[in-house]
Amino acid sequence: GAGVSQTPSNKVTEKGKYVELRCDPISGHTALYWYRQSLGQGPEFLIYFQGTGAADDSGLPNDRFFAVRPEGSVSTLKIQRTERGDSAVYLCASSSNGGIAGGSYNEQFFGPGTRLTVL
Amino acid sequence: AQSVTQLDSHVSVSEGTPVLLRCNYSSSYSPSLFWYVQHPNKGLQLLLKYTSAATLVKGINGFEAEFKKSETSFHLTKPSAHMSDAAEYFCVVPTSGTYKYIFGTGTRLKVLA
Repeated sequence: GAGVSQTPSNKVTEKGKYVELRCDPISGHTALYWYRQSLGQGPEFLIYFQGTGAADDSGLPNDRFFAVRPEGSVSTLKIQRTERGDSAVYLCASSSNGGIAGGSYNEQFFGPGTRLTVL
Repeated sequence: AQSVTQLDSHVSVSEGTPVLLRCNYSSSYSPSLFWYVQHPNKGLQLLLKYTSAATLVKGINGFEAEFKKSETSFHLTKPSAHMSDAAEYFCVVPTSGTYKYIFGTGTRLKVLA
């Protein structure tokens, strides 16, 4: 079946502009995660959704970053007034349910990412 | 707070020789632990997961990892490297009580012909 998809695959924008990054999770997955991966680093947690609600947004770096998941499926990560330091690969992941099931954490299935470059 | 340390940023091995990628974790309890692999231009893929059922965990593509509480380690091994194993490998620990996954900084594996 289809995996997690993200669009666009690449986004180049100018400093100060607004961008939206889209994530289509695996059908039926209730949990959705956004991560940011800078060059040479591991992915860094941004936000987690369970259904339509943001269960944990403590990883968002500041109020320029916002994410929504209005119908509990597709999610959009929105970045206002982009800065050069926002340049990174933004990864989306989904899992069949959030957190612990049967005493162990669920596997997260990752999309290929969106490479954001802010000039 | 939980954390993971990957001791080598780069590892090079010859094809057919063993692979060892090291990971140490910091936790006040026995956590769940994961290894993920990231091939160029592809999404992260789960290699294996430790959940306390067994200390030796077998994953895909011939990889395995052993959880050693006394050493707080979860090293990834493979008896014989293949060219297709060249990729970036991440050791991952979930944060207790939350859904945040903490990734290590990664180890880039290079396989020489």
